[in-house]
Amino acid sequence: DTAVSQTPKYLVTQMGNDKSIKCEQNLGHDTMYWYKQDSKKFLKIMFSYNNKELIINETVPNRFSPKSPDKAHLNLHINSLELGDSAVYFCASSPGGDAYNEQFFGPGTRLTVL
Amino acid sequence: SQQGEEDPQALSIQEGENATMNCSYKTSINNLQWYRQNSGRGLVHLILIRSNEREKHSGRLRVTLDTSKKSSSLLITASRAADTASYFCAPMDSSYKLIFGSGTRLLVRP
Repeated sequence: DTAVSQTPKYLVTQMGNDKSIKCEQNLGHDTMYWYKQDSKKFLKIMFSYNNKELIINETVPNRFSPKSPDKAHLNLHINSLELGDSAVYFCASSPGGDAYNEQFFGPGTRLTVL
Repeated sequence: SQQGEEDPQALSIQEGENATMNCSYKTSINNLQWYRQNSGRGLVHLILIRSNEREKHSGRLRVTLDTSKKSSSLLITASRAADTASYFCAPMDSSYKLIFGSGTRLLVRP
């Protein structure tokens, strides 16, 4: 199946732990994104990479570090997890940096920090 | 804030009726996109309207854009129970970022 996939789908962990979420797209897209959706469903962009280069870095704590080993993968590593990090994290991709491209979203990773 | 803001936050209609959702934003935009999210799933792109367009149709969807008022609307005609979902507008700003809000939750009653 051609898609954007994320693992894991659910992640429950203790405060202070370090965790990673993986994202892969097999659509041949050049640009990938991480979004955070809070409990009120508000969706906000965190990072964007184009061909492994960081192009958008919103005001996100530096405990969050994206890593793009190749243009098909964009992983999100989170250090020293806090209660406020609990949210659903979505990965997305688009064909490129052109203004007229839609974004394709993964199924989301629900992170719960206890 | 710069997010697209949808109105109403929630909408409940009977199957067969039309559903209208509105969106306002604050920045200048390249385009405005509408997405749908089913419960517990990722977002799915519905339609894109460019900043120089005023209206666009796709199947049962009709989108309007008024850049002078910084607003857009999404009309779903002849709604079906399967249209039940959250709908997000996402204006794309000058740095090619999509600015999402918290969506309109649409419930279509059979």
